[in-house]
Amino acid sequence: EAGVAQSPRYKIIEKRQSVAFWCNPISGHATLYWYQQILGQGPKLLIQFQNNGVVDDSQLPKDRFSAERLKGVDSTLKIQPAKLEDSAVYLCASSLVRTGPEQYFGPGTRLTVT
Amino acid sequence: AQSVAQPEDQVNVAEGNPLTVKCTYSVSGNPYLFWYVQYPNRGLQFLLKYITGDNLVKGSYGFEAEFNKSQTSFHLKKPSALVSDSALYFCAVRGILGDDKIIFGKGTRLHILP
Repeated sequence: EAGVAQSPRYKIIEKRQSVAFWCNPISGHATLYWYQQILGQGPKLLIQFQNNGVVDDSQLPKDRFSAERLKGVDSTLKIQPAKLEDSAVYLCASSLVRTGPEQYFGPGTRLTVT
Repeated sequence: AQSVAQPEDQVNVAEGNPLTVKCTYSVSGNPYLFWYVQYPNRGLQFLLKYITGDNLVKGSYGFEAEFNKSQTSFHLKKPSALVSDSALYFCAVRGILGDDKIIFGKGTRLHILP
């Protein structure tokens, strides 16, 4: 069974530029999560989807971050414009049932904003 | 509010010795508890979970964890450490209510010394 796929793996941009990340969850997993992991910290949930609907985006900086999951499968996370403090690893995860516990993570995208 | 504490930034253990990585949590009601491991330049990998039942939970790669409700702890253990166990370990908790989000600790770096 294929795992969670993410691309790109690495991205370097200048501040005020825009960037987009892509995630393909494990087949059949209805719930998809985007996390931000800053160096030295644990992952912080940005947004959670159940199929193509948003369940929780309370920690998403909505003035610059957006995410969508139009067909309930793939998802994109966008940052526009980027700030220096957005430098982090962006992790995508999926799980089989919304109230089911464990999540399965992709390899992440390491973003550096200069 | 939910929270997780991993009191040790780093744990050093000699190969072949038993290891313990500590985790305490705070959550309203009963918890779901998890341990994840992160290798360099990779996403988080699920190790084990506690949902209900036996307080001693066995997981991947010979790891186990003991749920202690009175001490609100969920320490990760392994009887005999391997050099390949060296990685970053995250404890996580979520409440059992449907909309509770998973909260990660800041991580503990485990060094197994040959």
